[in-house]
Amino acid sequence: GENVEQHPSTLSVQEGDSAVIKCTYSDSASNYFPWYKQELGKGPQLIIDIRSNVGEKKDQRIAVTLNKTAKHFSLHITETQPEDSAVYFCAASNHLSSGSARQLTFGSGTQLTVLP
Amino acid sequence: KAGVTQTPRYLIKTRGQQVTLSCSPISGHRSVSWYQQTPGQGLQFLFEYFSETQRNKGNFPGRFSGRQFSNSRSEMNVSTLELGDSALYLCASSSKMGGDNEKLFFGSGTQLSVL
Repeated sequence: GENVEQHPSTLSVQEGDSAVIKCTYSDSASNYFPWYKQELGKGPQLIIDIRSNVGEKKDQRIAVTLNKTAKHFSLHITETQPEDSAVYFCAASNHLSSGSARQLTFGSGTQLTVLP
Repeated sequence: KAGVTQTPRYLIKTRGQQVTLSCSPISGHRSVSWYQQTPGQGLQFLFEYFSETQRNKGNFPGRFSGRQFSNSRSEMNVSTLELGDSALYLCASSSKMGGDNEKLFFGSGTQLSVL
């Protein structure tokens, strides 16, 4: 089955700096890669996702890049703010039968701390 | 639009008991997935239901089961609880419509503690 590795496990940055979180996946059939942000006491919140036919996607301060050949994808947060502090999870999936939701395989998470 | 609602928010049980958790998906969403989150194992897929049918199942023992009702609400049940079942149980829903059917939206979870 799919295996997703995520690095680093913890990341501290100064407010205004950029943060980069990297993930690798094992199954070359995976074709969907979402990123989730989880704040304390809450469930994971989808912040951005990318499909395998796209190399990069950007949404304001957040961007995701995908390298299918190397089987890795990354989350980039620019101009970080204290409210960006949370645990971030990457995930990969290749399952999408008609009318069925994807089964996500998650990375182990990155605790991002933005220092004021 | 209301998000995914999970009840109860917290549960404390003892070993050997059974527990039922409830999930109401986003209005209009017909698919419900369940995940277990623990510090040691992270987020792991339990099962997924669509139109009252289990479509997909993860690698969990038969003590973990679920069902979905005609209004898309879902329940999961864990029988003969073990200490290792202590976890945050997350429900996620997704829509069958259009290109967004692959996006999973999570609830806040039910924190289960087994003593």
